[in-house]
Amino acid sequence: DGGITQSPKYLFRKEGQNVTLSCEQNLNHDAMYWYRQDPGQGLRLIYYSQIVNDFQKGDIAEGYSVSREKKESFPLTVTSAQKNPTAFYLCASSIFWGGYEQYFGPGTRLTVT
Amino acid sequence: ELKVEQNPLFLSMQEGKNYTIYCNYSTTSDRLYWYRQDPGKSLESLFVLLSNGAVKQEGRLMASLDTKARLSTLHITAAVHDLSATYFCAVDVFEGSQGNLIFGKGTKLSVKP
Repeated sequence: DGGITQSPKYLFRKEGQNVTLSCEQNLNHDAMYWYRQDPGQGLRLIYYSQIVNDFQKGDIAEGYSVSREKKESFPLTVTSAQKNPTAFYLCASSIFWGGYEQYFGPGTRLTVT
Repeated sequence: ELKVEQNPLFLSMQEGKNYTIYCNYSTTSDRLYWYRQDPGKSLESLFVLLSNGAVKQEGRLMASLDTKARLSTLHITAAVHDLSATYFCAVDVFEGSQGNLIFGKGTKLSVKP
């Protein structure tokens, strides 16, 4: 079955620690995205990647970093510089970049105390 | 500033009733997407509207797109409890967008017996 997987589902960290969220897709999609969702809110774009070895900042990139070394994988690191990291993080992919339908992974809920 | 506005943001309705959710956007776009999100879950694709006048129906939900009015509607017919969820519209933006899908804040629908 093709799809997007994110791990872990729940993640707990102490303040000041960096943490990496995994996102893998086997849909052979070129483009991948990371969104953040806060309670009762819509989605805000953190980073996106149009193609392997390329990525660009989204609307709220400060305190986050990504890499795209393989087409299938787009990990997100939440650094200690991110002031309010507790949120629900969603990874998505689309066949190409440029307004195509995005398919979402199951999400990772990060809690930092 | 590019905006996607949904209304209402909260909707409580009785089973068996009809209602419409509206999605207005502020820029030229020919592609609009509707997603459903259940509490604590990811986003599930509902409809992809790719041209002016497009209409899609699935069960009790029907979505339409009027690109001239920059408006999409999601109509609910004879609501049932299983439709309780948050519904997001997302618009493809052509002009230099960072990530090219702009999401509305979502409409939280609660269907009561």
